[in-house]
Amino acid sequence: NAGVTQTPKFRVLKTGQSMTLLCAQDMNHEYMYWYRQDPGMGLRLIHYSVGEGTTAKGEVPDGYNVSRLKKQNFLLGLESAAPSQTSVYFCASSRPGLELYFGPGTRLLVL
Amino acid sequence: AQTVTQSQPEMSVQEAETVTLSCTYDTSESDYYLFWYKQPPSRQMILVIRQEAYKQQNATENRFSVNFQKAAKSFSLKISDSQLGDAAMYFCAYRLYQGGSEKLVFGKGTKLTVNP
Repeated sequence: NAGVTQTPKFRVLKTGQSMTLLCAQDMNHEYMYWYRQDPGMGLRLIHYSVGEGTTAKGEVPDGYNVSRLKKQNFLLGLESAAPSQTSVYFCASSRPGLELYFGPGTRLLVL
Repeated sequence: AQTVTQSQPEMSVQEAETVTLSCTYDTSESDYYLFWYKQPPSRQMILVIRQEAYKQQNATENRFSVNFQKAAKSFSLKISDSQLGDAAMYFCAYRLYQGGSEKLVFGKGTKLTVNP
């Protein structure tokens, strides 16, 4: 039981490049989330999903897109990376009403 | 808008002593969940403790306990017999139920240092 996994662990991008962050969970959770963590800002919600085929915007969705084609996977895309997107990205999953289980995080550096 | 406030950016405690981390939140809901998460230098987010708002009894997990004051919208974390391994960022979080979905709103965190 791997829990929540994230790929890649670390990535360096140039401004304008695109990339996709992959999140996978093997706990059959309905809900999945993408957060970003910046110094002094806590964790801020980017997008989330309450089930396969559904997505919704969180607090800071601009510049990101997501897809949930399979229940166990939640993809976060950056179409044109900007230095302001340098951050640590966390994926999480949960059952309704219960605590979130987090992945190990992806550190992204945009030059 | 629901917000979570942690007023102490940094705290320190001597090993074996007790420390309390503060958290206040703003909500108009009557039924909700509150959480404390720990983030050590490894960056992994670890659940410390959970409190259901409808329960009057304060949650306890070994050396960790909360003081939940619903009327005051306060949810502080007490760590007893502090250990070096308790050094971490601690985040308070409120589970918001809205429009058929649920999400966690986090405070900005408190960095806890444990001195030997």
